[in-house]
Amino acid sequence: EVQLVQSGAEVKKPGESLKISCKSSEYSFTNYWIGWVRQMPGRGLEWMGVIYPDDSDIRYSPSLQGQVTISVDKSINTAYLQWSSLKASDTAMYYCARLTGNFWSASYPFDYWGQGTLVTVSS
Amino acid sequence: SYVLTQPPSVSVAPGKTARITCGGNDFGSESVHWYQQKPGQAPVLVIHHDSDRPAGIPDRFSGSNSGNTATLTISRVEAGDEADYYCQMWDSSSDLVVFGGGTKLTV
Repeated sequence: EVQLVQSGAEVKKPGESLKISCKSSEYSFTNYWIGWVRQMPGRGLEWMGVIYPDDSDIRYSPSLQGQVTISVDKSINTAYLQWSSLKASDTAMYYCARLTGNFWSASYPFDYWGQGTLVTVSS
Repeated sequence: SYVLTQPPSVSVAPGKTARITCGGNDFGSESVHWYQQKPGQAPVLVIHHDSDRPAGIPDRFSGSNSGNTATLTISRVEAGDEADYYCQMWDSSSDLVVFGGGTKLTV
């Protein structure tokens, strides 16, 4: 069965850096786009960006570009989301999810989701 | 940027039919997808490409798309259907994934 397993909850201070992970298994990792979705406390789902593991083609949400970095390590079937300087407003649950088709070509759904990583940023 | 508009809440009695709408300017030929999210859980895909059900999703869940309004219909609603529901599509004019604001279904 396809699985996306995310790293554990994090508590950080403003200004600190962070890298969270999403490890995929039971499918061909390089053949599917992986997306990241933010959910701030009590709020809805917000798309952050997607990456194609085979060639690291990336598309960020314009509202978040420059604030986070999405990357992958093909050798261990893992996608990452990282911050260089966290802010209190980064406090949220972060989900990775697998896109079923080519991001650039048409509207596709996210069919498998990680369990989420809760990031808390507080002084 | 493209906006998908959902009603904040919908209430329905058990056994009745719930309809949750998702409005946009013009979906064109792009498909709409629907997710169910229960408290403390990750979203689950319940309808994709307007009206297709993933394996394991009950046939009580159905979807439609009229071009500028997509609708998720849940028939014979059960207490276990109580959740937040989100629509999602890809905006081809800007190459962005867009989620609706979500609808809280109360049974």
